[in-house]
Amino acid sequence: GEDVEQSLFLSVREGDSSVINCTYTDSSSTYLYWYKQEPGAGLQLLTYIFSNMDMKQDQRLTVLLNKKDKHLSLRIADTQTGDSAIYFCAEEGGSYIPTFGRGTSLIVHP
Amino acid sequence: NAGVTQTPKFQVLKTGQSMTLQCAQDMNHEYMSWYRQDPGMGLRLIHYSVGAGITDQGEVPNGYNVSRSTTEDFPLRLLSAAPSQTSVYFCASRHPVDPDEQYFGPGTRLTVT
Repeated sequence: GEDVEQSLFLSVREGDSSVINCTYTDSSSTYLYWYKQEPGAGLQLLTYIFSNMDMKQDQRLTVLLNKKDKHLSLRIADTQTGDSAIYFCAEEGGSYIPTFGRGTSLIVHP
Repeated sequence: NAGVTQTPKFQVLKTGQSMTLQCAQDMNHEYMSWYRQDPGMGLRLIHYSVGAGITDQGEVPNGYNVSRSTTEDFPLRLLSAAPSQTSVYFCASRHPVDPDEQYFGPGTRLTVT
């Protein structure tokens, strides 16, 4: 079955880079997503990568995909206190409905 | 456009009561879905729909019903509320082809006593 795993917590200092990791099991995934959830809010799509790509950069965000190892990462450069949130990894195959990981709480301290 | 709206924001029910969580979108998205979010569990899919008149079960459908009579609306019905249904419920919609076009509602926080 499908399963998406990610670590639960990450703590970084303001100005450092953050790297959030994710592994998935469905080799037929078409898209892999990163979402951000701020306290008391719904999820917001941050970025995504198509399964035939290995890297995507979008301003401070870099997504790396290792399809052989089914490993996805999100790097946030120059992390700010406003980046403190829960980050969800998700994979999507032919059903167009994502399967989510449990979320990584990113804590940014001064 | 307003995106995805959900009502109510908060609700307290007694065990055995029924209620409907409302979800609406004004983007003409064919795909809509309902998730529940519990601490440490991520988002789990309850039901989803790929168009008006078409619904299907997700990972945790028991105790919930849905219908999709219009493209805009996708209500979630709790038939007989149980304390295990205490959770935050999110509705989402997406364009069937463009992965950038996906949005979540602000959520409904439900407590069942």
